[in-house]
Amino acid sequence: GAVVSQHPSWVICKSGTSVKIECRSLDFQATTMFWYRQFPKQSLMLMATSNEGSKATYEQGVEKDKFLINHASLTLSTLTVTSAHPEDSSFYICSASDLAGVFYNEQFFGPGTRLTVL
Amino acid sequence: ELKVEQNPLFLSMQEGKNYTIYCNYSTTSDRLYWYRQDPGKSLESLFVLLSNGAVKQEGRLMASLDTKARLSTLHITAAVHDLSATYFCAVDNVMDSNYQLIWGAGTKLIIKP
Repeated sequence: GAVVSQHPSWVICKSGTSVKIECRSLDFQATTMFWYRQFPKQSLMLMATSNEGSKATYEQGVEKDKFLINHASLTLSTLTVTSAHPEDSSFYICSASDLAGVFYNEQFFGPGTRLTVL
Repeated sequence: ELKVEQNPLFLSMQEGKNYTIYCNYSTTSDRLYWYRQDPGKSLESLFVLLSNGAVKQEGRLMASLDTKARLSTLHITAAVHDLSATYFCAVDNVMDSNYQLIWGAGTKLIIKP
């Protein structure tokens, strides 16, 4: 399988600050990256899908001005949580895929980022 | 709308026993995935099932897919404590040219020594 990294693995910030999370595909070119959010004891919730070089597609109910996604290259996507508040505290997981490429549709998951907003 | 249902949602069992987790989905799909998640960690891919009748095995875990019944099973044989985790199934879905995975709610498995 392919390897995806996320940075940072955890972050604690004050309310009102912005936090950037990076997702990198290390050994393949990811045409598409996905950002998920997971609350305790729940399944993954897709926040948005980003394709390299184009605007992200956000799921219903996800504020695009709050969760800024940039997918500037085939190996890097970033999620910026702007003006974070305690309710944004969660586990954020990215995944990467080369849709219709050698891995077909399979998504490869990063190790996740634990965000705590005080 | 594609829906994925897992059952049971919680399972506590003794080491050495066998059990099966079920994953039903509501419409046709090309692929079904099984993942494992340990507390505080991300997802680990277990199996990718591509076609009707597919069966894959890794150690004490075996997954199968019946696309006609829209059912996948994850069978645990002679469970050991190390298999304690939450297991998710997910199904490919393409809508309006947008691809995404539809997730089951997860099955929390606790295996007691």
